[in-house]
Amino acid sequence: NAGVMQNPRHLVRRRGQEARLRCSPMKGHSHVYWYRQLPEEGLKFMVYLQKENIIDESGMPKERFSAEFPKEGPSILRIQQVVRGDSAAYFCASSPRKQGTPNYGYTFGSGTRLTVV
Amino acid sequence: ELKVEQNPLFLSMQEGKNYTIYCNYSTTSDRLYWYRQDPGKSLESLFVLLSNGAVKQEGRLMASLDTKARLSTLHITAAVHDLSATYFCAVDPPGGNQFYFGTGTSLTVIP
Repeated sequence: NAGVMQNPRHLVRRRGQEARLRCSPMKGHSHVYWYRQLPEEGLKFMVYLQKENIIDESGMPKERFSAEFPKEGPSILRIQQVVRGDSAAYFCASSPRKQGTPNYGYTFGSGTRLTVV
Repeated sequence: ELKVEQNPLFLSMQEGKNYTIYCNYSTTSDRLYWYRQDPGKSLESLFVLLSNGAVKQEGRLMASLDTKARLSTLHITAAVHDLSATYFCAVDPPGGNQFYFGTGTSLTVIP
């Protein structure tokens, strides 16, 4: 079992470009969560998705950010027209069950470190 | 908004010493998680505490949870250099869709 796979590991974008971050959950996991970690800070929730559905996007900035988890393929976090403040580590986590259910647990990916220059 | 506070934020300790990291949170929750993060790496799960009074130990680390006080502790016994990392606690409130992470404690163990 390959675990939660995120790519790319490092991404450099110029201001105004688009960034696409990919997350393949663990096999058998249908719940995906995206978190952002700013330098010297803890992780902040962005969005929770199940296959083809956004369940909770309360942590997503209202503009420029979007996420999807299609029926086939990885989950994608898309940031349009990036700005310097978007520079951060973006982590994806997956779980086999809904948060709060018995034996629920997250597995984190290794993250994508986005640098906006 | 739910707040999760850790202290200290930075901790420098000598090898062989004991210390405790504290995690306070501001809402009802009976689930608390401790993670370790090495520089540039992902989060490694250390402990999952699922009820009041839960205590778990792994090697030189021991975690406990007091849901009435809304407090968890991570105790380090006889620290070694390999424990140098940033430690995060995270709360998982009932009915929620997210974890709330603390600000992290950066631990440096000095030989």
